[in-house]
Amino acid sequence: EVQLVESGGGLVQPGGSLKLSCAASGFTFSDSAIYWVRQGSGKGLEWVGRIRSRANNYATAYAASLKGRFTISSDNSQSTAYLQMNSLKTEDTAVYYCSRHYLDIGTPTFDSWGQGTLVTVSS
Amino acid sequence: SYELTQPPSVSVSPGQTASITCSGDRLGNKDASWYQQKPGQSPVLVIYQNIKRPSGISERFSGSNSQNTATLTISGTQAMDEADYYCQTWDSGTVFGGGTKLTVL
Repeated sequence: EVQLVESGGGLVQPGGSLKLSCAASGFTFSDSAIYWVRQGSGKGLEWVGRIRSRANNYATAYAASLKGRFTISSDNSQSTAYLQMNSLKTEDTAVYYCSRHYLDIGTPTFDSWGQGTLVTVSS
Repeated sequence: SYELTQPPSVSVSPGQTASITCSGDRLGNKDASWYQQKPGQSPVLVIYQNIKRPSGISERFSGSNSQNTATLTISGTQAMDEADYYCQTWDSGTVFGGGTKLTVL
């Protein structure tokens, strides 16, 4: 069974940092791309960024609106992807999901999602 | 940047057919996916590559994509289909529509 489990969310002050984890199981982690998507309370889905598969050299890409504040990485030995968030702003408050693009081929489609982790940026 | 536009809400009577549209510039030249999200839950993929249905998704869900509009159609709508629906594609980055709240009256 494919599973994605996010962790690391919590309360952080504006300007602070937080690192989220996405632990994967039930599939070959390095064969798929992992995407981070966030959702503010009562809002829609917003793409954050992604890390591609080994076949695509683990290339990363990010939403332009983030302006370099977020970084995605992965540890294949742990089947885990990470989202490092720096210079956090109140508008970054959201539930953060990781999702899988199976085999990382063609237009990204997210067939599995984690349960999400809540990040609250507030003083 | 590329944008996808969905109606904020759609209402349907039980047993009837619901259609949710997603508009974008030459969207018909791209692949579109659709996700269902119920309150407090993570999104679930219901349609991918415009017309394909993942394993386990009811046959009542179908999709189309032509010219500038992708459409999610739910036939024989049931109360359990009440949810938010999001379309998604790729254009220099993943793009989601704003979401449509489907109400089954």
